[in-house]
Amino acid sequence: QKEVEQNSGPLSVPEGAIASLNCTYSDRGSQSFFWYRQYSGKSPELIMSIYSNGDKEDGRFTAQLNKASQYVSLLIRDSQPSDSATYLCAAARDNYGQNFVFGPGTRLSVLP
Amino acid sequence: NAGVTQTPKFQVLKTGQSMTLQCAQDMNHNSMYWYRQDPGMGLRLIYYSASEGTTDKGEVPNGYNVSRLNKREFSLRLESAAPSQTSVYFCASSRGNSYGYTFGSGTRLTVV
Repeated sequence: QKEVEQNSGPLSVPEGAIASLNCTYSDRGSQSFFWYRQYSGKSPELIMSIYSNGDKEDGRFTAQLNKASQYVSLLIRDSQPSDSATYLCAAARDNYGQNFVFGPGTRLSVLP
Repeated sequence: NAGVTQTPKFQVLKTGQSMTLQCAQDMNHNSMYWYRQDPGMGLRLIYYSASEGTTDKGEVPNGYNVSRLNKREFSLRLESAAPSQTSVYFCASSRGNSYGYTFGSGTRLTVV
């Protein structure tokens, strides 16, 4: 059973702090990794993708991948109340088909 | 640029009634997916279509049928709705797993 695991939270951070969201995956064949943001009552929105070991930065967001440890993380710098949402981690193996696994999500709350 | 369009946005059904959820994408994606999302259960794949003319079962296909009408459209049918099918349904499309998925806005279905 291919799994992606995340702490359900809620993770609470003060405004302006760094929020750190973590994810582990079980399938060593996973090649692509994604972070989705889902506001309450809305659909998931892709915010970051990462394919190689190391860090990938996009604005206030940094995704980190360590394939040896089967670990993916998302850092949100200068967290804002508008970042309060559920963050879904996903791992993909093949290019087509159903080999795309979502984690259960971590709820982030940024406190003003 | 509409992306993935789902209809309807909300629906209330009585047990035993049938209905079809419609999904269309204008991004020329090959693959399309139907997910349901329930509190505490995360996103669960119902059916997917890797390419026009093909459909396959996902994790929770029982009680559902799908039709890939053409490259743009992928519909989900509930033949005899049950209260256990009360959920939020998301359609998604992709040009390949390594590119991530684009989600529609969702259909909130209640079966009474």
